[in-house]
Order: sequence, then structure tokens, then C-alpha cells
Amino acid sequence: QVQLQESGPGLVKPSETLSLTCTVSGGVITTYYWSWIRQSPGKGLEWIGYIYHNGKNNYNPSLKGRVTISVDTSKNQFSLRLTSVTAADSAMYYCARDFYSTSRFDPWGRGTLVTVSS
Amino acid sequence: QSALTQPASVSGSPGQSITISCTGTSSDVGGYDYVSWYQQHPGKAPKLMIYDVSNRPSGVSDRFSGSKSGNTASLTISGLQAGDEGNYYCSSYTGSTTLIFGGGTKLTVL
Repeated sequence: QVQLQESGPGLVKPSETLSLTCTVSGGVITTYYWSWIRQSPGKGLEWIGYIYHNGKNNYNPSLKGRVTISVDTSKNQFSLRLTSVTAADSAMYYCARDFYSTSRFDPWGRGTLVTVSS
Repeated sequence: QSALTQPASVSGSPGQSITISCTGTSSDVGGYDYVSWYQQHPGKAPKLMIYDVSNRPSGVSDRFSGSKSGNTASLTISGLQAGDEGNYYCSSYTGSTTLIFGGGTKLTVL
């Protein structure tokens, strides 16, 4: 079955760029949307945005201007870039398969914790 | 965009039924049949329990059911078990292909 695995630095300095990659196994990335979702410590979930294999994307309006999601179909991976980070961007970041923007995310990766600190 | 409104906590005894509400607006919950529910245990990733308001993914117990009336969606868990304890989140499509989550509800099995 489809599995997802996040990877990337666990520590990012304020004002720098957060970069994460999600590797999809057990399925092809050329179907479905693929989303990033984050969860601040002790808080709820926040949808960041999605990418489709043809480059179509959409982002949470609250993060627009700072977020870019890209896809590499040759590697079955998609990536997140979040610029000008602050402590408020410290969170567990999850990637998930997105059933065409119907709020159905399944499965999820295990998540990767990113801390923004100098 | 404000988060969907969920009660902070609910509780029930083993064997009982509980219902968690998720209130939005006509622009999200009330406007589309794209409401999902997720279960999250501490230290784990969320798990899809209900999608498209009332559909269960393969492998999810039929003790979990979903419904919607107007701008409020509901998740009902019947025959409560200790393993049901955790946090539950609703989510909804909002139009313009954006998505929103609820603030989460902590379920305690007494």
C-alpha cells in the first residue's frame, strides 16, 4: 500500500527557508493531489497546500507568498519550501495523499518535527 | 478563515456512545459534502476515520459513523472502547480548492 516519508532538517534559523521532502512509495505520484499539513506543538492541524503531478497547486491563503510546493515525478517525491520562517512555524510537518481537495487525506506520513530557533 | 468549531473535550464510559460536533458555515461544512474526520493518538499521525460526511475507509470499525445537518457535521462513536481515546479532528472543503480543519476534540474514555 501507499506509504509516505518526510525528510529534512529538524532545525531552521529564523528568517531562513524551511525545506522538506516527502517520498511516496507503493504507488505513483501521478495520481491524486499531494498535500502538506502541519501541527504546532499542542495545537490543531493546519493545511499548507497541495501539488498535482502536472504542477497545479493551491496554498492556504494564510501562507501564500511564503510557501512553494513542487513535485519530482522521476523520484516520486514532492517538496515544501517555506521562506522567512519564524518561531510560529515550528511544528510537526506531515505529508499526505490528498483525494482531489475533498478534505480526505489518506495515508499520512509519520511526520517530521521542525523547530525554528537560532 | 477561522477553524471549524469543535468541543474541546468529550467523555464517555466503555460501551456508551458519544457524538462530536463540528460547526462551520455555509461556505464550508454546509456548502459541500466533503467533511472528513481524523483520529490522532499521542505521538502519532492522524488517521482517516470518515470521509465525504459519512463514508468509512476500509478497515475502520462500523462503530464510527458520520452525518451532517446544515452547517454542523457530527462523528458518532458507539460501543466506546479504551482504544478510542485520543484527539479527533474534522476537516472540510471550503471552496476555491482550499481546506480547513477543526480545532480538535479530546475524547476521554472513563
